[in-house]
Amino acid sequence: AQSVTQPDIHITVSEGASLELRCNYSYGATPYLFWYVQSPGQGLQLLLKYFSGDTLVQGIKGFEAEFKRSQSSFNLRKPSVHWSDAAEYFCAVSTNAGKSTFGDGTTLTVKP
Amino acid sequence: GAGVSQSPRYKVAKRGQDVALRCDPISGHVSLFWYQQALGQGPEFLTYFQNEAQLDKSGLPSDRFFAERPEGSVSTLKIQRTQQEDSAVYLCASSLDRMPGRSSGRGYTFGSGTRLTVV
Repeated sequence: AQSVTQPDIHITVSEGASLELRCNYSYGATPYLFWYVQSPGQGLQLLLKYFSGDTLVQGIKGFEAEFKRSQSSFNLRKPSVHWSDAAEYFCAVSTNAGKSTFGDGTTLTVKP
Repeated sequence: GAGVSQSPRYKVAKRGQDVALRCDPISGHVSLFWYQQALGQGPEFLTYFQNEAQLDKSGLPSDRFFAERPEGSVSTLKIQRTQQEDSAVYLCASSLDRMPGRSSGRGYTFGSGTRLTVV
């Protein structure tokens, strides 16, 4: 069965600082990996996705993620965080049909 | 509309009451998913439709949960005899693709969810 672990429940960074959110997955086949962002009271917005090819994936809002098969990781990064990035972030692994397994999320707080 | 619409946004139910949650997907979207998101957790898969066919209901937690999409558009998630553990946000997502997880797929769009509180 597939699973996703996000080791950090809560992260606080200063505005303008760099950010890395960790994600580890377990999946028997080639993983389809996603990062979503969720603001309070909102649905999930897709930031980026990885299927194959280049292991460094660029997404929206200046985010990127790197797939490392040897570490079963798909960490999300941003070089300079903005106050509007404060939200909850979810990593997910998906089957071909689109059925996704999500991690429990990381809450990002941005200090002014 | 332009997005996935879910109603009601908030629902308070007394324990034992039946509830029905509605999802209006984006027009023309083939695939529709329901997820349950408990407080402080990530969404968990409940069920999946391709048009009117329910292809996967493996995530429904008990036989009190029932979902339908009779005409391949609007979907309803029904919970009978609600329990406190059913309190959660119920998210709906839809996709134009039959296989939204594939590399060529366009992924899916989530609604804002229905927050169900059972008291």
